[in-house]
Amino acid sequence: GAGVSQSPRYKVAKRGQDVALRCDPISGHVSLFWYQQALGQGPEFLTYFQNEAQLDKSGLPSDRFFAERPEGSVSTLKIQRTQQEDSAVYLCASSFDRSSYEQYFGPGTRLTVT
Amino acid sequence: AQSVTQLDSHVSVSEGTPVLLRCNYSSSYSPSLFWYVQHPNKGLQLLLKYTSAATLVKGINGFEAEFKKSETSFHLTKPSAHMSDAAEYFCVVRGPYSGGYNKLIFGAGTRLAVHP
Repeated sequence: GAGVSQSPRYKVAKRGQDVALRCDPISGHVSLFWYQQALGQGPEFLTYFQNEAQLDKSGLPSDRFFAERPEGSVSTLKIQRTQQEDSAVYLCASSFDRSSYEQYFGPGTRLTVT
Repeated sequence: AQSVTQLDSHVSVSEGTPVLLRCNYSSSYSPSLFWYVQHPNKGLQLLLKYTSAATLVKGINGFEAEFKKSETSFHLTKPSAHMSDAAEYFCVVRGPYSGGYNKLIFGAGTRLAVHP
């Protein structure tokens, strides 16, 4: 079966532009996570979905960041009015159920803001 | 609060020699700990996990880690490095259980280089 996929793999945006990053989790996985990985750092938690419900958005760095998962499968992370500090790799992960500790990661989207 | 500290940002070994990647953890309760590997342009892959069963945990590709509560450590080892082991390695602790789920808390990573 397919793993977690993310698109686009690379995105270059001019400062001030809006971007949308897509995540397709493993089919049937209930939980979906977004992480941000700055250059030379470990991933940091952004937000969590259980099915379509966003249960935790405590890691989102500002109100310019918005995530949704309207039908409980595909998720989109949107960043409005991008800034240079938003440049990072955005990772999506899914897990089978809410109590599962094993998360499966996608390859990430590398966002560069110029 | 849960956290992990990876003691080396870079480790360089020769092919065929042992690998040691060091990790210390901080936790207010019995932790669940993981090692993930990240190859260039590939997703993070789970190497192994400790969840309060055996303290010596075996993972994929010949890696293993030992949970030592007295030292608050969870070091990753491999007896003999292979060129394909060159990658970034992350020590990870499961975050506090909240709202019915666990987020992962990552260390800063250790880049492993393997020389012929």
